[in-house]
Amino acid sequence: AQSVAQPEDQVNVAEGNPLTVKCTYSVSGNPYLFWYVQYPNRGLQFLLKYITGDNLVKGSYGFEAEFNKSQTSFHLKKPSALVSDSALYFCAVRAFTGFQKLVFGTGTRLLVSP
Amino acid sequence: GAGVSQSPSNKVTEKGKDVELRCDPISGHTALYWYRQSLGQGLEFLIYFQGNSAPDKSGLPSDRFSAERTGGSVSTLTIQRTQQEDSAVYLCASSTRPPGQENYGYTFGSGTRLTVV
Repeated sequence: AQSVAQPEDQVNVAEGNPLTVKCTYSVSGNPYLFWYVQYPNRGLQFLLKYITGDNLVKGSYGFEAEFNKSQTSFHLKKPSALVSDSALYFCAVRAFTGFQKLVFGTGTRLLVSP
Repeated sequence: GAGVSQSPSNKVTEKGKDVELRCDPISGHTALYWYRQSLGQGLEFLIYFQGNSAPDKSGLPSDRFSAERTGGSVSTLTIQRTQQEDSAVYLCASSTRPPGQENYGYTFGSGTRLTVV
């Protein structure tokens, strides 16, 4: 079975500081990995994905994520946080073969203080 | 349309009533998914439609839940005899045919917030 774990319910960071939102995955075979963001009263928006290639993936709004196969992790990062980055972040995984759907983590709420 | 459209955006219903939630996917997207977002529970997969294939219903929590997709486009999620634990945000997403395509990802609608009182 495929799954993702987001060990932190909430991450607090001061504006201007770097941020990391953690995600680990479990999947048979090569994974497709995704990050989505949800702003209040909005649907989920795609941030970035890892399919193959470079382990460092760059996405929207200055976010990036690093795929680490040995640690089965796909942590979301940003060098300098903005207050407007405050939102709910979801990691998701899909197996290369088999299930044709994304499995999501429980989400991590990011709070960026001024 | 330009995005995934869901209606209604909010629905309050009495316990025991039936509700229907609608999803209009992006034109040309063959795959359609329903997820449920409950407080503290993340996104729970409910059902997946792919073209004319039989849907993957493995995530439906009980036989009170059903969904259909007419003409490969609009989908309706029906919850019969609603219970308070059904209160959640129901999200619909659509995508192009996935296997082997690098740009696989979902486009989500804004969801329907269901409150059962």
